[in-house]
Amino acid sequence: GENVEQHPSTLSVQEGDSAVIKCTYSDSASNYFPWYKQELGKRPQLIIDIRSNVGEKKDQRIAVTLNKTAKHFSLHITETQPEDSAVYFCAAREVGANNLFFGTGTRLTVIP
Amino acid sequence: NAGVTQTPKFQVLKTGQSMTLQCAQDMNHEYMSWYRQDPGMGLRLIHYSVGAGITDQGEVPNGYNVSRSTTEDFPLRLLSAAPSQTSVYFCASSSRQSGYTFGSGTRLTVV
Repeated sequence: GENVEQHPSTLSVQEGDSAVIKCTYSDSASNYFPWYKQELGKRPQLIIDIRSNVGEKKDQRIAVTLNKTAKHFSLHITETQPEDSAVYFCAAREVGANNLFFGTGTRLTVIP
Repeated sequence: NAGVTQTPKFQVLKTGQSMTLQCAQDMNHEYMSWYRQDPGMGLRLIHYSVGAGITDQGEVPNGYNVSRSTTEDFPLRLLSAAPSQTSVYFCASSSRQSGYTFGSGTRLTVV
């Protein structure tokens, strides 16, 4: 099955700075790459996603980039705010069964 | 439109007991999955279903059973609970065109 690696495991930034989280995947056939935000005690919530036919996608302060050749994708959060503090997960969807395989998560702390 | 509904939210079991975690969705999604979440390990796929009557194993299926008799429901059964099954369990559903929608989770403790 798909193997997704995520770095870093923890990230602290000052409010207003940018944060970047990186993921790699193993299956070149994977075609969909979502990012989830999970606050303490809550369910994962989809914040942005990208499909394999697109190189970059932006939604206000959040952007995701995809490099299919290198099999890696990244989450960029600009102008970070304290409410961005959470655990972020990347995932890759395998072709066929529609299953998502997740990275191990990044705990982002935004320091006011 | 309730999305994905999971019950119970919390459960404590003794080693060897069995139980069923319930999951229901009202979005007519064909895909449903169960994940467990452990500290530092992300979400790992237990079992999944691509439609009513069809189920298959994920990454960590041992000790769990599933069935999918209807499009809406996808229960997860723990056959004989072990302390290693202490975890947070999430049910999720999706269609080919949509992202995953997660339930609110079940926090299970096996003592």
